[in-house]
Amino acid sequence: NAGVTQTPKFQVLKTGQSMTLQCAQDMNHEYMSWYRQDPGMGLRLIHYSVGAGITDQGEVPNGYNVSRSTTEDFPLRLLSAAPSQTSVYFCASRGFDRGGGYTFGSGTRLTVV
Amino acid sequence: GQQVMQIPQYQHVQEGEDFTTYCNSSTTLSNIQWYKQRPGGHPVFLIQLVKSGEVKKQKRLTFQFGEAKKNSSLHITATQTTDVGTYFCAGPPLDSDTGKLIFGQGTTLQVKP
Repeated sequence: NAGVTQTPKFQVLKTGQSMTLQCAQDMNHEYMSWYRQDPGMGLRLIHYSVGAGITDQGEVPNGYNVSRSTTEDFPLRLLSAAPSQTSVYFCASRGFDRGGGYTFGSGTRLTVV
Repeated sequence: GQQVMQIPQYQHVQEGEDFTTYCNSSTTLSNIQWYKQRPGGHPVFLIQLVKSGEVKKQKRLTFQFGEAKKNSSLHITATQTTDVGTYFCAGPPLDSDTGKLIFGQGTTLQVKP
């Protein structure tokens, strides 16, 4: 049981490049979310999804796109990378079980130069 | 939009001392969740509180959810070096779907042996 798998673990981009951060879960969870973590800022919600075909914006959605074509996958696309998007990105998922919290992936450390 | 504040931002304690972190939301929450992140790791779910005034214990950790469902606290009795990490509270607003989980900035705990 792999849980939440994020790839790549590390990435360096040049300003203006685009890329997709991959996230997959094998727990049949309905909810999936993307967060970015910057020093002193905690975890800020970028986009989230409550099921396949349904996505919504979080606190800091600008510059990012998501789609949820399957229950398992929730990729995060950076359209035109900027240095301000240098961060650690976490994907997380949870089921409808009201007693459970989110399971996080191990993160992607992204540097934009 | 919803804001979740945590205090203190940092806490250094001697091993064996108690520790408390406080969480305050600008809006009423449907539930409050607590996570722990070890240095270099990803957040790990600890517990969820749902009812107004609820208190839950996990060994040396005591979690409380305020009567108005806008604040919460985590208290650790007799800290150990294994308690080192950053503790986050998070909650979805009462008037939104529970997929939108907003995190506080976290409290980083250092324990001196």
